[in-house]
Amino acid sequence: GQQVMQIPQYQHVQEGEDFTTYCNSSTTLSNIQWYKQRPGGHPVFLIQLVKSGEVKKQKRLTFQFGEAKKNSSLHITATQTTDVGTYFCAGSGSSGNTGKLIFGQGTTLQVKP
Amino acid sequence: DVKVTQSSRYLVKRTGEKVFLECVQDMDHENMFWYRQDPGLGLRLIYFSYDVKMKEKGDIPEGYSVSREKKERFSLILESASTNQTSMYLCASSLYSLSRGQKKTQYFGPGTRLLVL
Repeated sequence: GQQVMQIPQYQHVQEGEDFTTYCNSSTTLSNIQWYKQRPGGHPVFLIQLVKSGEVKKQKRLTFQFGEAKKNSSLHITATQTTDVGTYFCAGSGSSGNTGKLIFGQGTTLQVKP
Repeated sequence: DVKVTQSSRYLVKRTGEKVFLECVQDMDHENMFWYRQDPGLGLRLIYFSYDVKMKEKGDIPEGYSVSREKKERFSLILESASTNQTSMYLCASSLYSLSRGQKKTQYFGPGTRLLVL
C-alpha cells in the first residue's frame, strides 16, 4: 500500500541552528500537508502544498513540494525553543479520495536553549 | 472556532473489557477519523467515515470497530481490550471534497491515552 517515510526520527539542535525534515512517498501525491504536535498536545495543521515544485514560507518555516510530487521538506531557519515538537507530513493520494491522509512517522525536534 | 472533543483524556481498562471511545465535532464535517499514535510509528489510521453510517477500514482495523449514527459523533469500540491496544487514540475530522486542490485540513481532538492492564 501507499507509504510515506519521514526522516530523521529525532533531531536535537542548539537554539539558532537550522533544522530540516524530509518526507518521501512511494507513490505520487495529489497534495501534502504538514502538521505540528507540541509535547502533550495534538497535531495542528500548518500548511498544504498542491503544485509540483511549490515552495511556501511561514516566517522562519519553508515548505517544499518536489517536482515529481513524491517528496517534501520542511526547513526551519534559526530554531527557537518554541519550535519544539513533532512535525508530521501527511500525503493525499492521487486517487481522489475524499480526505484520507497517509501520515509519515514524524520528526521530533528538541531545541537546546 | 473549530472543535473536536474526545470523551476522556485518560482511561485505564482491564484485558477483555469492552471499551468505548467517543469523539464529537461541531464543524458539520462529513469525514471523521480514528488514529492511534505510538512512538516511532506516527499516526496510523484505524477507521474512517465519510458519512453517517458509512465506514471504511484504515491500515490497522483488527480488534476495533466503529459506529457513526450521527454526523457529529464517531465512536471507536474495542470489543475485547488487549494490552497491545495500550496507546494514544486521536480522533480527527475534515470536510468532504473531491477537489484535489481543496484544503482538507484534519482537525484533531486532544487524544485519549488508553492503558490496558
